[in-house]
Amino acid sequence: TQLLEQSPQFLSIQEGENLTVYCNSSSVFSSLQWYRQEPGEGPVLLVTVVTGGEVKKLKRLTFQFGDARKDSSLHITAAQPGDTGLYLCAGAEGNEKLTFGTGTRLTIIP
Amino acid sequence: GAVVSQHPSWVICKSGTSVKIECRSLDFQATTMFWYRQFPKQSLMLMATSNEGSKATYEQGVEKDKFLINHASLTLSTLTVTSAHPEDSSFYICSADPGQGTDTQYFGPGTRLTVL
Repeated sequence: TQLLEQSPQFLSIQEGENLTVYCNSSSVFSSLQWYRQEPGEGPVLLVTVVTGGEVKKLKRLTFQFGDARKDSSLHITAAQPGDTGLYLCAGAEGNEKLTFGTGTRLTIIP
Repeated sequence: GAVVSQHPSWVICKSGTSVKIECRSLDFQATTMFWYRQFPKQSLMLMATSNEGSKATYEQGVEKDKFLINHASLTLSTLTVTSAHPEDSSFYICSADPGQGTDTQYFGPGTRLTVL
């Protein structure tokens, strides 16, 4: 079983600050996805990165896939209360299955 | 597009009873659906892969006789928790793969199961 470790596990910052969440593994993935999950709801896909070194931007969110396709990062600029949630990375193993990371619970304080 | 629904959204049952959870892809067909379990403050753990017209593939440590999966059509998969016990209380989430050759899965809103 491939493991995806996310750090930090918990993060609480003031509105307007920047933050970075990391997703690390010793295994190579065919692609990596980032999700945000609200309490009591299913995860919602934010982005999929496929190519090593790829960078994707979604408004204030910047996602990067490591060159070796083993790790990824999510950077949020000028965080807002609406960014609060559980952020999950998930690696695709090329067989349709996803392995989810350990999760980062983000709280943005107004 | 790409909406996945689950029913019920929450259920409370007595220990020893069975509970069925439905997962439907509303606007696409899915030959493959997945069932996950999420305990409080934890991540999603894959339980099984549900394939239309064939037996489900269970992850290591998941009892296939306790968690019965049926994928009778290209838009419906069901998970039945048999003889439920309090330790089965969890948030159960399904996802559906539209089979577009990507790794994309669309997730349902989840079902909160509480076993008394």
